[in-house]
Amino acid sequence: SQTIHQWPATLVQPVGSPLSLECTVEGTSNPNLYWYRQAAGRGLQLLFYSVGIGQISSEVPQNLSASRPQDRQFILSSKKLLLSDSGFYLCAWIRIGGSNTEAFFGQGTRLTVV
Amino acid sequence: DAKTTQPNSMESNEEEPVHLPCNHSTISGTDYIHWYRQLPSQGPEYVIHGLTSNVNNRMASLAIAEDRKSSTLILHRATLRDAAVYYCILRDRNSGGSNYKLTFGKGTLLTVNP
Repeated sequence: SQTIHQWPATLVQPVGSPLSLECTVEGTSNPNLYWYRQAAGRGLQLLFYSVGIGQISSEVPQNLSASRPQDRQFILSSKKLLLSDSGFYLCAWIRIGGSNTEAFFGQGTRLTVV
Repeated sequence: DAKTTQPNSMESNEEEPVHLPCNHSTISGTDYIHWYRQLPSQGPEYVIHGLTSNVNNRMASLAIAEDRKSSTLILHRATLRDAAVYYCILRDRNSGGSNYKLTFGKGTLLTVNP
């Protein structure tokens, strides 16, 4: 079965520090991978998605970047965190087949920038 | 991209049915209607999806209007564990053809009273 791993679960970082969040998928190949962010009390905002190694699409201009060094690995990064980068970050894998584009989400990383 | 409109919040009593509405008046002919729910401090999970016909699964039922401009997620007997944010979303297909995005709105916060 397919699983998605995301870590760490929580993170407290000072303003100006770098960030690296990692997401890996098991049990599938060539997945479409996605990074979402959820601010407190708000919906999910799509940040990046990737359809293959080295292929990154950015949905909104921001202080973050994403990379996909391997087929089942998706990394969210920042060189210098801002207070506004705080939020709940979710990695997702979307299975595309037939009528169903069911998405599988990781457990999320709660990032607090202080 | 086709958008959806949902009430910000709804309340229900335990053991009673819940009807969660969603409007999607600009839906295209090939858009599938998906429902996800997000329990507190977790990533969203798939609930159900459909195209034209009503659908049932172990979690819920999906009733789709004949003109497809609205749909209703039905929880037949709400439990306390059903308290969550429920998202109604349409499958996006961008100009790339094979790139699928799932765009989430703010959803409906369902409160279940004991």
